[in-house]
Amino acid sequence: SAVISQKPSRDICQRGTSLTIQCQVDSQVTMMFWYRQQPGQSLTLIATANQGSEATYESGFVIDKFPISRPNLTFSTLTVSNMSPEDSSIYLCSVPLGGTGGLGGGYTFGSGTRLTVV
Amino acid sequence: GQNIDQPTEMTATEGAIVQINCTYQTSGFNGLFWYQQHAGEAPTFLSYNVLDGLEEKGRFSSFLSRSKGYSYLLLKELQMKDSASYLCAVRNYGQNFVFGPGTRLSVLP
Repeated sequence: SAVISQKPSRDICQRGTSLTIQCQVDSQVTMMFWYRQQPGQSLTLIATANQGSEATYESGFVIDKFPISRPNLTFSTLTVSNMSPEDSSIYLCSVPLGGTGGLGGGYTFGSGTRLTVV
Repeated sequence: GQNIDQPTEMTATEGAIVQINCTYQTSGFNGLFWYQQHAGEAPTFLSYNVLDGLEEKGRFSSFLSRSKGYSYLLLKELQMKDSASYLCAVRNYGQNFVFGPGTRLSVLP
């Protein structure tokens, strides 16, 4: 099954700055997903990262705030821009366990990036 | 709208059986997933149901009734390490997921 390396694992950032989070997968995957998990809450999908085209954003999330890159089938980045304390959260990437993006099976997550904005 | 409900917290005793329920109302349905998440860690995939019925994987089983919008996760022979949050997630058509709020399970000795 696919294995994800996500970094950084945590960061403390100043208000108004930006942070880029990276996810590297050990196999090619058609779809990668970016989630946010706010303290004590469940996961919320931010966007789907598509290789060769713009990311697809969920309601409430916009490209200017969360630009995403997907230069190839094994790598993606999520940037949290112009940060405020409300952006303090855990950010996770996710891919299909089997790597192919098929409709069956489960999904695996990166280890997460714990972001604190001060 | 989309809504997934789970109990917020449950407590059980080591060695016992616990059932965690999940009800859902989503705009589409293409599978229901259960994940385990220990504090400070990423979620780990446990099980997947797309057809009605019971799926068994060792000490964990998951059940689905699509007509009732209902699923449960059954954990047998509870161990202390099973103390975690359990997340129910529905995949809409395509690959979009909606996660439930999670159930925090505490296993007591």
